[in-house]
Amino acid sequence: DTEVTQTPKHLVMGMTNKKSLKCEQHMGHRAMYWYKQKAKKPPELMFVYSYEKLSINESVPSRFSPECPNSSLLNLHLHALQPEDSALYLCASSHSQGNEKLFFGSGTQLSVL
Amino acid sequence: GENVEQHPSTLSVQEGDSAVIKCTYSDSASNYFPWYKQELGKRPQLIIDIRSNVGEKKDQRIAVTLNKTAKHFSLHITETQPEDSAVYFCAASIKGVTGGGNKLTFGTGTQLKVEL
Repeated sequence: DTEVTQTPKHLVMGMTNKKSLKCEQHMGHRAMYWYKQKAKKPPELMFVYSYEKLSINESVPSRFSPECPNSSLLNLHLHALQPEDSALYLCASSHSQGNEKLFFGSGTQLSVL
Repeated sequence: GENVEQHPSTLSVQEGDSAVIKCTYSDSASNYFPWYKQELGKRPQLIIDIRSNVGEKKDQRIAVTLNKTAKHFSLHITETQPEDSAVYFCAASIKGVTGGGNKLTFGTGTQLKVEL
């Protein structure tokens, strides 16, 4: 299995809702990432987990809360989002050795109303 | 931190022609340079990468060159086909990110259109 699987593919939520994005990989990778991508822009790093521990938080607002329950799973919990948070949220994984190939999931297209 | 510039922002070529996309980076400690292709509504896909101990790498119609002295690297696509139409992102990273993982800095992207 060489894929990173993300669910749901599309999500519409109100500003008072709580929702979660899920990501799963079975490649034995020990680093997992959340990226945010706006239309026609490059992906922007949000969080990095290495060996299930948060190693990088790119000053992301607390309304985004990551969680890594085990080495194969990564969640992003969303609460009290703003319309400007609407974007494509991409999960990725890699070996945790530094400078290893990143493999991206298909993303969750999020719309905040 | 690292800064990656990418040019051109749009590129239109005729089918069968070659396409070249160029990137420059700022941090001389960067030592890994991947290229991603992203079709509309799809995930970024790694198409080729190069490490700083190599000057050139080729995979069929795709090649990447790296000039460490000038801090720039380029993507070359030969014999372009309509299915090559997509947004291409270059990226750079530095080994030894604290805590592990790979902190990529992406360029701003190039929209490549291959016309029949």
